[in-house]
Amino acid sequence: AQSVTQPDIHITVSEGASLELRCNYSYGATPYLFWYVQSPGQGLQLLLKYFSGDTLVQGIKGFEAEFKRSQSSFNLRKPSVHWSDAAEYFCAVGAVTYKYIFGTGTRLKVLA
Amino acid sequence: DVKVTQSSRYLVKRTGEKVFLECVQDMDHENMFWYRQDPGLGLRLIYFSYDVKMKEKGDIPEGYSVSREKKERFSLILESASTNQTSMYLCASSRQALDEQFFGPGTRLTVL
Repeated sequence: AQSVTQPDIHITVSEGASLELRCNYSYGATPYLFWYVQSPGQGLQLLLKYFSGDTLVQGIKGFEAEFKRSQSSFNLRKPSVHWSDAAEYFCAVGAVTYKYIFGTGTRLKVLA
Repeated sequence: DVKVTQSSRYLVKRTGEKVFLECVQDMDHENMFWYRQDPGLGLRLIYFSYDVKMKEKGDIPEGYSVSREKKERFSLILESASTNQTSMYLCASSRQALDEQFFGPGTRLTVL
């Protein structure tokens, strides 16, 4: 069955530290992969997406993600976290036509 | 600036009431979606529509119906609200299947 796993429910980092949020997926074909961010009380905003080509993709707000087919992973990274990055992050797979599978989210807390 | 708007940010209803949640997008997108978001469960697809008057069930359609009479508007209907439908409801739209989704700010519905 198709699935997306975000193993970390909560992550706390200090401002200025690097960040990596994990995402693993289970899907038979080449997936369409997304990372979204949700600030408190808001809808989701796209950070970046991978459809094909270069496996390292750059997104907004200084985020990047790397698609690793052998590990079925699409981890999100940022070299230096800002306090405004505190939010909930969702990984998603575009699966059967029109349908997306979302992970359960990782809530990021940033310490000053 | 592209936009998906939802009719209410907060809504309180009583058990058994009929509830309408409205979503409007101004991007001329073909596809529209309704999700519910619950802590620890991520986003779960209720219904989606890939064209006017067309609708497809998502993963959790029970207790819900939808209407899409115009391209820009997608309504979610709770025929008889129940307490287990207390949740955050998110509307989204996309131009093509499996493309980036644009989300509204969400409606937090409480059923008493």
